[in-house]
Amino acid sequence: QQQVKQSPQSLIVQKGGIPIINCAYENTAFDYFPWYQQFPGKGPALLIAIRPDVSEKKEGRFTISFNKSAKQFSLHIMDSQPGDSATYFCAASKQGGSEKLVFGKGTKLTVNP
Amino acid sequence: DTAVSQTPKYLVTQMGNDKSIKCEQNLGHDTMYWYKQDSKKFLKIMFSYNNKELIINETVPNRFSPKSPDKAHLNLHINSLELGDSAVYFCASSPRVRGNTIYFGEGSWLTVV
Repeated sequence: QQQVKQSPQSLIVQKGGIPIINCAYENTAFDYFPWYQQFPGKGPALLIAIRPDVSEKKEGRFTISFNKSAKQFSLHIMDSQPGDSATYFCAASKQGGSEKLVFGKGTKLTVNP
Repeated sequence: DTAVSQTPKYLVTQMGNDKSIKCEQNLGHDTMYWYKQDSKKFLKIMFSYNNKELIINETVPNRFSPKSPDKAHLNLHINSLELGDSAVYFCASSPRVRGNTIYFGEGSWLTVV
């Protein structure tokens, strides 16, 4: 049972474009939704996270949009750069606990110069 | 200073062998994890320890045995290695507070031949 569904599997954009990665979850008890960024040969690293009491969170060029009623959240990267090329994972967990963070299957983003 | 460090980074071994991967975190976190990332980049939790106590044990073959000598260390021992064990294994840690950021190590690339 996949609790967090992520799409697309891969995404190619030109520099300056705005890639959007979408995730949908099933468990309404989830209350923490982070995005992780993973560069080749490295471990995933927290990029940005949101809780369901807000509909949007922005950090630099990265924005999470959250739709609680639809049980969906998405990552937008403004003015994307080749250095943003990486695999992005959405995740979700419940009750503020980190013990079982459930990950989406990842999106490989390529930003062409 | 590396926050979550794991060794070795690369490991090539024959089927049937027993191997260990060591992990140490210097963040003062109470919770540590082992994740497995397969060739399709899917991240799946294997084990979670809190203050040396096992709290999550996903459906993992008995050939995998975690050992936590203290809360800063979580080692993974694998017996009778199989071809399907080839993957990247990530150690990670998180504080036991709301915020839930999980900090990953750089991964250990295991290849079973």
